[in-house]
Formats: sequence, structure tokens, C-alpha cells
Amino acid sequence: IAGITQAPTSQILAAGRRMTLRCTQDMRHNAMYWYRQDLGLGLRLIHYSNTAGTTGKGEVPDGYSVSRANTDDFPLTLASAVPSQTSVYFCASSSTGTNNEQFFGPGTRLTVL
Amino acid sequence: QKEVEQDPGPLSVPEGAIVSLNCTYSNSAFQYFMWYRQYSRKGPELLMYTYSSGNKEDGRFTAQVDKSSKYISLFIRDSQPSDSATYLCAMKSLQGGSEKLVFGKGTKLTVNP
Repeated sequence: IAGITQAPTSQILAAGRRMTLRCTQDMRHNAMYWYRQDLGLGLRLIHYSNTAGTTGKGEVPDGYSVSRANTDDFPLTLASAVPSQTSVYFCASSSTGTNNEQFFGPGTRLTVL
Repeated sequence: QKEVEQDPGPLSVPEGAIVSLNCTYSNSAFQYFMWYRQYSRKGPELLMYTYSSGNKEDGRFTAQVDKSSKYISLFIRDSQPSDSATYLCAMKSLQGGSEKLVFGKGTKLTVNP
């Protein structure tokens, strides 16, 4: 693995189903983030984690949950998917500090029907 | 008023043109300013990073920050078809130790050969 991987690449999901998007990084970054990207709305932060064992809410956290059991993994769970959660989801990670570039994964395209 | 405003375009220019991309912001606490480039169906990648006011040049790319006007710009000289992408501005403060970025909505650029 080099950088950030996300799985699945794309998914079509029935409304009401539970779904976990996976994110793994191998750069030993402390901070990780989940964004959704929608046409006309740009990138919006869902949840973040500054270090393993801690998480925080971003701009649009409702309907999503995260966990950070270790440094490398940061899964995003939709407990009961709704059509408005149709989006492209990006995971990112960064070291902490002033000059901390966020590195992004390739994204997961999720369609909720 | 959104914290970060960015004209979504689309912007279409001929090869070799000088391109100017801009963002305005309202939060005077922002100190770190970034430009990300996002190719179609890919994750964003960091292009330029500047701290406080001033210019930074990297090859054909120049980033400018004017904190007094709350205005940042990215200039692309001798634009190439490979520059066709969506460009997102991003910025952050370190208030409260936050590592979170605030993104503009992105400007879609097409450079025509």
C-alpha cells in the first residue's frame, strides 16, 4: 500500500441499508478526515480524527458515524442510508502541525436508491 | 456569507493562455492557504501552499495571497491541456488547535489544444 486506499470504489445501495466505507493509510499520519463532494457544494467535512481514539464532527455529520481504533484505519458508517447521501466520499490524512498537507484517497462513489 | 467563495466556472481557455483563478474569504483568522488540483474521477492533490500574505512561484504556477483584501489567486502561465482539471482553494487557521481545512467549491478549467 502506498498512500491512502478506499473501498469500495463504487457502490449502489438500497435506502435503509447499513454501509461502511473503508479507509486505510500507511503514512502513519495522526489526523484523518472524511469528506463528501457534491456538484455545486464542493468538499464538505463529515467527521475527522486528530489522533487514534478521538473523533470530531465536521460540517455535515448527521447520518454518519466514524471510529478510530488505530492510526491506519478510519471507517465511515452510514447506519441507515438515505438518497441524500448519494455522493462521492473522500478520505484524507495529514500529519499534525502547521505545514500539514492533506493527502486524499481515490474516493468512493455511493448511490443510494 | 460562506467562509470561502470561489467561482465554479466553467473556465475554457486556449493552450498557452494565462489563467487566473481566485477565491475570497471572510474569516480573518485564516493564515494558511492552499490550492488543490483535482482531475476527473480522482482525489484532490496539493498544488501550492502559502503562509500569510505574499507570492509563491513553482514553475508555471504562482500563488498570491492578499490578506488585507481577503483574496487569494492562482496563476497558470503557458497553460497546457494537461492543466484541465478542477482547482480548489483551501484555507485554515490554527484556532483551537484545529487542523481542519475549509474548501472553496472549485473552478473547473478546460485548456483547449
